[in-house]
Amino acid sequence: DIQMTQSPSSLSASVGDRVTITCRASQGIKNYVSWYQQKPGEAPQLLIYAASTLKSGVPSRFSGGGSGTEFTLTISGLQPEDFATYYCHRYDSGPWTFGQGTKVEFK
Amino acid sequence: QVQLVESGGEVKQPGASVKISCKASGYHFSSYGIGWVRQAPGQGLEWMGWISGYNGNTNNVEKFQDRVTMTIDTSTSTAHMELRSLRSDDTALYYCARVVRGDQLYSVYYYMDFWGKGTTVTVSS
Repeated sequence: DIQMTQSPSSLSASVGDRVTITCRASQGIKNYVSWYQQKPGEAPQLLIYAASTLKSGVPSRFSGGGSGTEFTLTISGLQPEDFATYYCHRYDSGPWTFGQGTKVEFK
Repeated sequence: QVQLVESGGEVKQPGASVKISCKASGYHFSSYGIGWVRQAPGQGLEWMGWISGYNGNTNNVEKFQDRVTMTIDTSTSTAHMELRSLRSDDTALYYCARVVRGDQLYSVYYYMDFWGKGTTVTVSS
């Protein structure tokens, strides 16, 4: 099975910072990646699909990039409501999987 | 508006089975799939599989292949997920989510855009 490795597992940042989270696939998966945000006690929410397509209504400070084996989620100008856990999700032809998650905490 | 509502929480003994339902409303059920995701206490998201609302075809993770059955009832817009031979490490919050399939140039995409609030399954003797 294709492994999906997400890093870092956690990070500390301040409001206004630029934050980048990475997911690496053990084999090429084109652009078959989406990104979700989960806040404590809530269900996940879709941010980005097809690696870089922003879901309608999601703030433009969120952006996704990459293809093949390396994918990134960038938050440009972290806002207080962005402190949460973020997951990548691959949906290629093999078994779909989530990354391990990245918790973005207040510095 | 789109809503997904899971059935109530359950407490089960090891070795038992649990069947969770996910009642969908606010959209044409057969045009989307239903995915199942679980989250153990304090842990990350774990993908279990999904079922097409159109034809009932399933795509499950191999880890659950022998223990999971996913079904749909289009007459009631409800998806069901049965997990058998429960173990203590099946204790988790179980979510259902609407699976969207779309096409882009040269590729297809999937994502989950609406989620239920989740239902807790506790496995304990």
